[in-house]
Amino acid sequence: GQQLNQSPQSMFIQEGEDVSMNCTSSSIFNTWLWYKQDPGEGPVLLIALYKAGELTSNGRLTAQFGITRKDSFLNISASIPSDVGIYFCAGLNYGGSQGNLIFGKGTKLSVKP
Amino acid sequence: DAGVTQSPTHLIKTRGQHVTLRCSPISGHKSVSWYQQVLGQGPQFIFQYYEKEERGRGNFPDRFSARQFPNYSSELNVNALLLGDSALYLCASSLRLAGANVLTFGAGSRLTVL
Repeated sequence: GQQLNQSPQSMFIQEGEDVSMNCTSSSIFNTWLWYKQDPGEGPVLLIALYKAGELTSNGRLTAQFGITRKDSFLNISASIPSDVGIYFCAGLNYGGSQGNLIFGKGTKLSVKP
Repeated sequence: DAGVTQSPTHLIKTRGQHVTLRCSPISGHKSVSWYQQVLGQGPQFIFQYYEKEERGRGNFPDRFSARQFPNYSSELNVNALLLGDSALYLCASSLRLAGANVLTFGAGSRLTVL
């Protein structure tokens, strides 16, 4: 099935570092979403973006909806240990109901040994 | 308030068997969606039901079916299980059919097919 291109696949973080990840698609989306999934849990919504160019923050998290409608990025500032987990981007097509989200493969954040 | 609840949490089946997974949405939510998440991948859309009617179907074979009951709970059925059906099956509920910011996921049912 269709999936978005999400990068990096994985990254190691040290407490206090800033983190950046992005998501690209060959298709246009009218909504971009960012989720976090912890082990044994379902994805939890972090940020939703509804307009091209929109920049939205949620605490230490900032996400932007690309001007072309084909990409989005998520930044985490001053990372803390509880930021560890898998982050997914998801897009929603024009005319699609909210159940039909297209997800990326995820970016796995781990703590630097 | 209880979130989206799914059962069973874990199950093991053998090839060719049938499985039924259950989902109870958040109270008041009328839409239920099902997703398959294979290890190392993002979730993939299987079905959406709203007011007991199918409103969307992903690219899955006819071995996959679902239904929604009058109390808005839902079942996902998979027949003739294949090894590739091993995955985490996620249920998500929402108040309405549209509006992506209110989609809430359950913890999932982890299916292993041997």
